[in-house]
Amino acid sequence: NAGVTQTPKFRVLKTGQSMTLLCAQDMNHEYMYWYRQDPGMGLRLIHYSVGEGTTAKGEVPDGYNVSRLKKQNFLLGLESAAPSQTSVYFCASSHEPGQAAHTQYFGPGTRLTVL
Amino acid sequence: DAKTTQPNSMESNEEEPVHLPCNHSTISGTDYIHWYRQLPSQGPEYVIHGLTSNVNNRMASLAIAEDRKSSTLILHRATLRDAAVYYCILRHNTNAGKSTFGDGTTLTVKP
Repeated sequence: NAGVTQTPKFRVLKTGQSMTLLCAQDMNHEYMYWYRQDPGMGLRLIHYSVGEGTTAKGEVPDGYNVSRLKKQNFLLGLESAAPSQTSVYFCASSHEPGQAAHTQYFGPGTRLTVL
Repeated sequence: DAKTTQPNSMESNEEEPVHLPCNHSTISGTDYIHWYRQLPSQGPEYVIHGLTSNVNNRMASLAIAEDRKSSTLILHRATLRDAAVYYCILRHNTNAGKSTFGDGTTLTVKP
């Protein structure tokens, strides 16, 4: 199993450009998450999904949109990138509550720079 | 939402035990206590979790206070590869969005 994979690994954008980050998991997990991590800080939850076709806002959702059209994929979109969105983005997945105590599995991250 | 408090940094000597504390005084009855660690330039990885009883696995031990308001991650023999940021988080059993990562504890292991 590949676990959680993220595409791309690195990206540089200009202010105002758009892009989509792709997260894929092969563990048949119901729950998926997008976090951002700024230098020297912990992870902050952007959006999450509790199943195919459903999404919900996390702690810092502004400026981002997400979609979960297939159970194994969770897309994070930036419609008009801003320098404040320069960060490392991590995707994670987990079983639903009650199974394995909701342990999360993380991808390797996408390093995004917005100029 | 329940928050956790950890020291910013700790140091340890190689092959000595390390006790990493975490306070979670507002924990609810349905919160699991999870520990993750993040090695440099990598995503976080699961270390251990518990609800009420102390737990052991191949990576570490987790000691949970009787009132559940604090916990301690124990690395029995620190190695250089254990140098990482350690996060203590509460995983809500019914609401996926309520998990919060704090800034964690940066563990430095000296040879």
